[in-house]
Amino acid sequence: AQRVTQPEKLLSVFKGAPVELKCNYSYSGSPELFWYVQYSRQRLQLLLRHISRESIKGFTADLNKGETSFHLKKPFAQEEDSAMYYCALRPYSSASKIIFGSGTRLSIRP
Amino acid sequence: EAGVTQSPTHLIKTRGQQATLRCSPISGHTSVYWYQQALGLGLQFLLWYDEGEERNRGNFPPRFSGRQFPNYSSELNVNALELEDSALYLCASSQSSPGTPNEKLFFGSGTQLSVL
Repeated sequence: AQRVTQPEKLLSVFKGAPVELKCNYSYSGSPELFWYVQYSRQRLQLLLRHISRESIKGFTADLNKGETSFHLKKPFAQEEDSAMYYCALRPYSSASKIIFGSGTRLSIRP
Repeated sequence: EAGVTQSPTHLIKTRGQQATLRCSPISGHTSVYWYQQALGLGLQFLLWYDEGEERNRGNFPPRFSGRQFPNYSSELNVNALELEDSALYLCASSQSSPGTPNEKLFFGSGTQLSVL
């Protein structure tokens, strides 16, 4: 079964400290992976996707197929990074749903 | 560009009643997804429509159903409401064809359904 696991419900770090939000997935084939973010009083929106190999707002995420992980990282946290982060997966298939993890709330302390 | 719109914003029903939630996708988007966001459970996939057809559904009972209209707007119907159906229901739309690697979901603000 396809599953996305975000083991931390809450992650609190100081401003300027490194951030790593963990995401592990369960899928036997080649998935497409995403990180979505929801800032306070805003809509859920796409942050980045592994296929683009991009860095958005200083965040990067590398797909590790051996460890089936797609952790989100940022070297120096900023207060505006405080938000709810969701990892999501979709198998490469013409009729595949996008599955989300349960989310991690990131809180940046000043 | 107008975003994904959902109505109503809030909906209060009693057990056993039926609820109808509506979603208008971004103009040009043909795919509509429905998710349930219950407290502490993250986003649970409900339904996916594309070009008027139901493409996939999540592990929810048949009393959760929906449809997509010719203008690509969508309705989610929940029959025989139960207390545990209380949640935020999010709709998302997408422009890309199903399965294409660049598919990006645009979310609405949601409908908060409360079942008393």
